[in-house]
Amino acid sequence: QSALTQPPSASGSPGQSVTISCTGTSSDVGGYDYVSWYQQHPGKAPKLIIYEVTKRPSGVPDRFSGSKSGNTASLTVSGLQAEDEADYYCSSYAGSNNLVVFGGGTKLTVL
Amino acid sequence: QVQLQESGPGLVKPSQTLSLTCTVSGGSISSGTYYWSWIRQPAGKGLEWIGRISTSGSTSYNPSLKSRVAISVDTSENQFSLNLGSVTAADTAVYYCARWPAGTASFDYWGQGTLVTVSS
Repeated sequence: QSALTQPPSASGSPGQSVTISCTGTSSDVGGYDYVSWYQQHPGKAPKLIIYEVTKRPSGVPDRFSGSKSGNTASLTVSGLQAEDEADYYCSSYAGSNNLVVFGGGTKLTVL
Repeated sequence: QVQLQESGPGLVKPSQTLSLTCTVSGGSISSGTYYWSWIRQPAGKGLEWIGRISTSGSTSYNPSLKSRVAISVDTSENQFSLNLGSVTAADTAVYYCARWPAGTASFDYWGQGTLVTVSS
């Protein structure tokens, strides 16, 4: 069982927006502004798309945005495109003992 | 452009030690302020952080694996390595190495991953 809870699946039509949640506790998501999101296509390594809750690495489209409220972080993908179909994982800093925990992943389907 | 590449045996027998090396190219492993991490992913499952090392040799490990894990760094070879002892079938996974910029708790560059199967 993963430390952070994500819905197993999400879907949307091209052009629509979809939001994926990531729920933790006050010891991880709620306690630090160090939530990251990764996109993983089949057979590929994960790719960082959001770090420190809201920041995007260079080259990541602004269709991807992150937010956090309490113990739950969210990733919103706006203007869905076919290439956005992938697995998405959240992660959070969890203090000096655990350091990093991941969510179980969400499979995003573009209908 | 920084690149990471995992290498090592693809098959390990139960109870033995899994050993992998990550070679960093496109920059010195000692430049900048980074940690170097190992992450694994069993087939069809999620990601699990294994541990990290700084170029000064300071390590931190996932508590669930701490008793079996050792990560080391060789700055002269621009490499860092993973040893996981007493492996079982549950350790079968794709193993990734990744770079962790200090102060971000994120992984900005990843290797392509290498599948390690534990089987007799």
